[in-house]
Amino acid sequence: ETGVTQSPTHLIKTRGQQVTLRCSSQSGHNTVSWYQQALGQGPQFIFQYYREEENGRGNFPPRFSGLQFPNYSSELNVNALELDDSALYLCASSSPEGTAVGEQFFGPGTRLTVL
Amino acid sequence: DAKTTQPPSMDCAEGRAANLPCNHSTISGNEYVYWYRQIHSQGPQYIIHGLKNNETNEMASLIITEDRKSSTLILPHATLRDTAVYYCIVRVPSNFGNEKLTFGTGTRLTIIP
Repeated sequence: ETGVTQSPTHLIKTRGQQVTLRCSSQSGHNTVSWYQQALGQGPQFIFQYYREEENGRGNFPPRFSGLQFPNYSSELNVNALELDDSALYLCASSSPEGTAVGEQFFGPGTRLTVL
Repeated sequence: DAKTTQPPSMDCAEGRAANLPCNHSTISGNEYVYWYRQIHSQGPQYIIHGLKNNETNEMASLIITEDRKSSTLILPHATLRDTAVYYCIVRVPSNFGNEKLTFGTGTRLTIIP
């Protein structure tokens, strides 16, 4: 069973640029959630995709957007990058149907640095 | 989701039991207590969860007080690999998406050789 994978592992961008981060969910999982983790803080929920539809969003501006594909992989897009967007971006997959655990499986993250 | 309070840091000697407390005094009746941990430079990892009964799995034990206002995660024989940030989260598990996890700042547990 393949776990959650994310790409790239590290990325450096400059202010104002756009970035796309990618996530492949664990086999059989149809829900993907994205989190932002600033240095020294806990992860903060950005949004979640369930069966290709956005299914909940945290307190992030519209320049944070996403997609989920038919194979349940997902992208996080951030436009007009700001210095404060520098963080570890985590993807987590889960499968709400058939389980009451609510356990999420996290990928290793993408470290984004905005200069 | 109910708010949780955890000590910012703790030390534990290798081989001893590590007891990590969590206060969740505003927990509601249908909210579960979840524990995750995050080893440096990795994504968070699920450890255990419970509603009101004590729970045990291969990784840890979870003790929830009778009034459910606090809980303790117990790592029975801590090893150096247990050094991590431990997060206590309370939430209602969903069977239909919306699986948002609200993380606090957690407890940084350091296992001392």
